[in-house]
Order: sequence, then structure tokens, then C-alpha cells
Amino acid sequence: DQQVKQNSPSLSVQEGRISILNCDYTNSMFDYFLWYKKYPAEGPTFLISISSIKDKNEDGRFTVFLNKSAKHLSLHIVPSQPGDSAVYFCALGGTSYGKLTFGQGTILTVHP
Amino acid sequence: NAGVTQTPKFRILKIGQSMTLQCTQDMNHNYMYWYRQDPGMGLKLIYYSVGAGITDKGEVPNGYNVSRSTTEDFPLRLELAAPSQTSVYFCASSSGGRGEKLFFGSGTQLSVL
Repeated sequence: DQQVKQNSPSLSVQEGRISILNCDYTNSMFDYFLWYKKYPAEGPTFLISISSIKDKNEDGRFTVFLNKSAKHLSLHIVPSQPGDSAVYFCALGGTSYGKLTFGQGTILTVHP
Repeated sequence: NAGVTQTPKFRILKIGQSMTLQCTQDMNHNYMYWYRQDPGMGLKLIYYSVGAGITDKGEVPNGYNVSRSTTEDFPLRLELAAPSQTSVYFCASSSGGRGEKLFFGSGTQLSVL
């Protein structure tokens, strides 16, 4: 029973173009949403988050969109850079104690 | 600024052996977590702790034990290792509960053969 799904295992994008990573969830109880980035042999690092009271949050080249009615979350990276090549996880929270439920991850490759 | 430190980075165990994965954080965070990541999968919560002396099970606790005697340390114990426990293990900490981001260690790659 996967509550959080990232349906694209991988995404390949040209440098300078937009990268769009998607995340779908089934449980309406989730009320805050995060994106993490992971390089090989390192732990995940926090990228950007959004709470359920918003539908958009921007931080530089990164924008997260939330569509609560569709239970859909997306991360836009504009413009994409080769250094953005990594695995991206969406992570959802909705309980106390800060527990997060993670998607399977999407491998982003940005070609020069 | 060390953040969350995990040791060892790599370990190979034989079936039936036991070991402890160490995790320490220097950010004075009350909340700590253990996750495992299997290939092609997301991170799954094993155990978590909201403060010294308080621990609780996550999604996949079977085969593991934890303790939290200090704010800084949150070791994960594997008893009677099985091949199904081959995974990458991540420890994380957080300053609060709901809505707070987690800070992760660099992980321990464990193989059980």
C-alpha cells in the first residue's frame, strides 16, 4: 500500500531547460510536503517544502507546487544545471513527531 | 559543524550475526529517526525517538532494536542478521516535530551474506 508515489524512475533534461518532478499521494492527512535531494554515497539533503495552506513556494531556481484536490505535488527546477543531477525524493508529513513518508525517488540527469 | 554522524559507513555481516549502527548528532535535536532504503525504493521508517528515554516503532521495526539514553546518541541494533536486512541505513534528526525538516547522516551500507 504505497501512500506516496513518484511514477517516473528517471528524467533526463538538457542544461538550461526546465525539470519537472512529480509526486502523487493518497492520504488526505498529509499536510506538509518536502523535497529532498540525494547524491551517491551521501544522505538526503533538504531542498524545499510547502505546507497545505499554500499552493506554491519558491526558492531561487526551485519551485514546489501543491494541488491538494488532485493530491499532487511537483518540483520545478529552472534553469536546470548539471550539478542538479541527483535522486529527488518527495517526503510527506501529517502526524506529530515529524515522521515523513517518502516516495521512491526520481533520478534526474541534466546533460550539458 | 558535524551535524549527524553515522558509523560505520560500510559493513558486511554473516547471517545470524549482530551489530550496532551508531548515530550521533551535535545539533541538540530532540527528535531522531532511523530509516532504511532498499534499491529503487523510498526510505522507510524503522524507529524514532522524541527524546532521551522515549522510542517508538516505525513502519518496518522487525529485527531491530533501539535505545536513546542521551539526546545526542541513537544507536540501532540488529540481532540475528538476515539477508532481508541488506540495505542502506540513514539516521536523521530534527529540532521539532510537525513540519520540521530532517537532517540526515551519510548512511551505512550493510550487506548480510
